[in-house]
Amino acid sequence: EIVLTQSPATLSLSPGERATLSCRASHSVSSYLAWYQQKPGQAPRLLIYDASNRATGIPARFSGSGSGTDFTLTISSLEPEDFAVYYCQQRSNWPVTFGQGTKVEIK
Amino acid sequence: EVQLLESGGDLVQPGGSLRLSCAASGFTFNNYAMSWVRQAPGKGLEWVSTFSGGGGSTYYADSVKGRFTISRDISKNTLYLQMNSLRAEDTAVYYCAKSSFGLFGLGHWGQGTLVTVSS
Repeated sequence: EIVLTQSPATLSLSPGERATLSCRASHSVSSYLAWYQQKPGQAPRLLIYDASNRATGIPARFSGSGSGTDFTLTISSLEPEDFAVYYCQQRSNWPVTFGQGTKVEIK
Repeated sequence: EVQLLESGGDLVQPGGSLRLSCAASGFTFNNYAMSWVRQAPGKGLEWVSTFSGGGGSTYYADSVKGRFTISRDISKNTLYLQMNSLRAEDTAVYYCAKSSFGLFGLGHWGQGTLVTVSS
């Protein structure tokens, strides 16, 4: 099973700041990595698929990069609605696995 | 517009059974893989099972294999998860999700249904 490790666990930032979230895989997942956003009481929402492709309707301030074992989700300038938990997910190997999440909170 | 509506969540005793449903609309149901993902209270996301589009292959997490069965009714555009021999650790919100990129890429999610296993 591929283990995804996200860091940091919590990121405390102010609106307008840049957020950089990391996801590291225990084995290569090529580019088969996605990022999801989840707000309290809501279902996850797809942000980025295949490492760097924004999903439909996702603002340009969200970007993804990386390949192999190291991936990054960047939010260029945090908006109030961006404070949430972010999960990475790999679909390279079964079983599909998720990271444990990074919470982006208001400083 | 893709819509996924789960139902069937309930309080059930350990060892009991439950069937979850996910009513889908806004897309050609048979053409897409569909999955169940769960989230225990205060915890992260865990993949449970996938039913592939077309040929209908099924996939299960080790934690549910032999206890849960995923199925679909194309005539009703509905995905099911039959859950047997339920354990306390199966307590979670269960999300239905539609694949939009590859077999396991989840582009759309339902709002979830809560399953509580407790005596």
